[in-house]
Amino acid sequence: KQEVTQIPAALSVPEGENLVLNCSFTDSAIYNLQWFRQDPGKGLTSLLLIQSSQREQTSGRLNASLDKSSGRSTLYIAASQPGDSATYLCAVRPGQAGTALIFGKGTTLSVSS
Amino acid sequence: DAGVIQSPRHEVTEMGQEVTLRCKPISGHDYLFWYRQTMMRGLELLIYFNNNVPIDDSGMPEDRFSAKMPNASFSTLKIQPSEPRDSAVYFCASTFIRDRVADTQYFGPGTRLTVL
Repeated sequence: KQEVTQIPAALSVPEGENLVLNCSFTDSAIYNLQWFRQDPGKGLTSLLLIQSSQREQTSGRLNASLDKSSGRSTLYIAASQPGDSATYLCAVRPGQAGTALIFGKGTTLSVSS
Repeated sequence: DAGVIQSPRHEVTEMGQEVTLRCKPISGHDYLFWYRQTMMRGLELLIYFNNNVPIDDSGMPEDRFSAKMPNASFSTLKIQPSEPRDSAVYFCASTFIRDRVADTQYFGPGTRLTVL
């Protein structure tokens, strides 16, 4: 059974710092991996989607990498800002189990000014 | 497009009452998902549909939960009777798949359910 783990559960950093959020999954047979952002009381917004054949994706100050063989992904946030404060969720689409996503429990990020 | 629409946004009910949550997916999407989010268990898939047909309902916790998708633009999740442990945020999401490549899942704002 696929399991997704995110470490750390919470992270506090000062504005301007570069940071890395970690995601690990137990079964390397995945179709893709997504990083989402969730603001308090709101839905999820997709940040980056990495297909299984890709190694990384970039969008602005965000860079996500994928290492299928080791079951790991990282989300790198450059020059963090207070507006980046949110919960970041990692989700994998299993290889053989249809299109539903399996989520980690998230990392709650707080960026202080 | 207005995105995925869910109603109501908040629901407070008493134990034993019937609760119906509603979702309108993005036009043109052929997959619809219902997820539940709690502090303890995080986000979990309840059920998903493809072209209005339920594909996997293994995440539905009990027979008290049922979901329907009568057409491509509407789905309901019903809990009858509701219990306090059903209190959670329920999300609906939709997506489409072309050429065997899955697109991003688009989430609605969620319905926060409180069962007293």
